[in-house]
Amino acid sequence: DGGITQSPKYLFRKEGQNVTLSCEQNLNHDAMYWYRQDPGQGLRLIYYSQIVNDFQKGDIAEGYSVSREKKESFPLTVTSAQKNPTAFYLCASSKPRGQGNTEAFFGQGTRLTVV
Amino acid sequence: QKEVEQNSGPLSVPEGAIASLNCTYSDRVSQSFFWYRQYSGKSPELIMSIYSNGDKEDGRFTAQLNKASQYVSLLIRDSQPSDSATYLCAVNTPYAGGTSYGKLTFGQGTILTVHP
Repeated sequence: DGGITQSPKYLFRKEGQNVTLSCEQNLNHDAMYWYRQDPGQGLRLIYYSQIVNDFQKGDIAEGYSVSREKKESFPLTVTSAQKNPTAFYLCASSKPRGQGNTEAFFGQGTRLTVV
Repeated sequence: QKEVEQNSGPLSVPEGAIASLNCTYSDRVSQSFFWYRQYSGKSPELIMSIYSNGDKEDGRFTAQLNKASQYVSLLIRDSQPSDSATYLCAVNTPYAGGTSYGKLTFGQGTILTVHP
C-alpha cells in the first residue's frame, strides 16, 4: 500500500530534550511538508522540501530542524529551543505540478506532549 | 493580512441543507487550491482540488474559484451529520524564485456542524 507513515503516534518529551519525528512516504512524491496544529487551530507550516537535499523554512521554523537526505524521508527534530512544543505534528507529501497535480496527502500525525 | 483566511464559523446547518464555506487568499500568483476535511483527532483528508476559474463538482461537493477576486468556496449539498468536521482551505503558492513547486498554506479552518 502506498502512503505516508509517521511515527510514533504519541511521543512524550521531557523539557530540555531533543526529539525526532519520523515521516516516510512511498508515493514517489518530490515535495514534503511539516505542519504543527494546536487545539482549535489551523495548520502552521514549519518546513517544506521540494527535492532531496533542499528545504525551506516555513512560518514557524524556530526551534525545529529537518533533513532531506532521501526522497522518501523527511524527519523533523524538535529541539530544546522550541519553548512550547506540545502539539499535533502532521507530515504531508505531494507531486510537483509538472507531474500532474500538487495535491498533498497527510500521514496520521504525531501527538507530542512535554512532560 | 493572513495569507489564507476562512470564514470564522462555527457553521451550523440542518440535515439536508446546503453548507457554504468561504476562503480568501492574498497572493495573486497562487496556482492550486484545495479543500480538506478534518475529523477531531485525525489528520486532514483531501476532498476537493481546483486549479482554474469556475466550478468543479464531485458528488455532493462543489468547489468554486474566482482568481480575480482571490476567492475560493466549497458548497456541500444535502448535508449529512457525517459531514460535521473542520474544513480547511489550502493554497499552493510558487516561491519567489518562480519554480513550479510551492508552499502549501492553510487557513485556520471552519467548524461545520450538521444537526439532524
